[in-house]
Amino acid sequence: RKEVEQDPGPFNVPEGATVAFNCTYSNSASQSFFWYRQDCRKEPKLLMSVYSSGNEDGRFTAQLNRASQYISLLIRDSKLSDSATYLCVVKGDYKLSFGAGTTVTVRA
Amino acid sequence: ETGVTQTPRHLVMGMTNKKSLKCEQHLGHNAMYWYKQSAKKPLELMFVYNFKEQTENNSVPSRFSPECPNSSHLFLHLHTLQPEDSALYLCASSPRRASGIEEQYFGPGTRLTVT
Repeated sequence: RKEVEQDPGPFNVPEGATVAFNCTYSNSASQSFFWYRQDCRKEPKLLMSVYSSGNEDGRFTAQLNRASQYISLLIRDSKLSDSATYLCVVKGDYKLSFGAGTTVTVRA
Repeated sequence: ETGVTQTPRHLVMGMTNKKSLKCEQHLGHNAMYWYKQSAKKPLELMFVYNFKEQTENNSVPSRFSPECPNSSHLFLHLHTLQPEDSALYLCASSPRRASGIEEQYFGPGTRLTVT
């Protein structure tokens, strides 16, 4: 089983729509969780950390479900500029494990 | 953004060449990393350095040789590579916090093509 698994998508959504997707992780002892954004042919950039109680940053909401071992990302009021690949990142004892990414395409 | 810089940005090399990738971080971080990203695959961690000491070598072939002369600079020396080594090589750095929450900041990467 992969350490971090994501639905590759693509999720094709119209501008203004809400899109949500999950990421599952295998290590129940994982300590920290992040969402990164990666644009085509660019480096990953930190979007937000994910806290146990869930957290929101503008139009982005992240949730953590430790019992079921998944994290989620919800994007409200999608913008064209939200088109990217979203990487789920999980920190175990000593390293980060990356998912392969979920591609989101927002169309006008 | 110039927090983490990498040179060169693009590199084409033959299988018999020797080249080096350079990474520099201006964030005052203590840990630096090399990753390999191939198409449609997750990032693969290659090497980790904490305070200039290598703490992880993720079963990387010896044709990749890292060097960390100080906590701000990281090199990846390449020799006798194979075509399957063609990929985006990303450098990252992170702070070391007592909380253990250590987000990583990436450089723009070097896109390597081995011919």
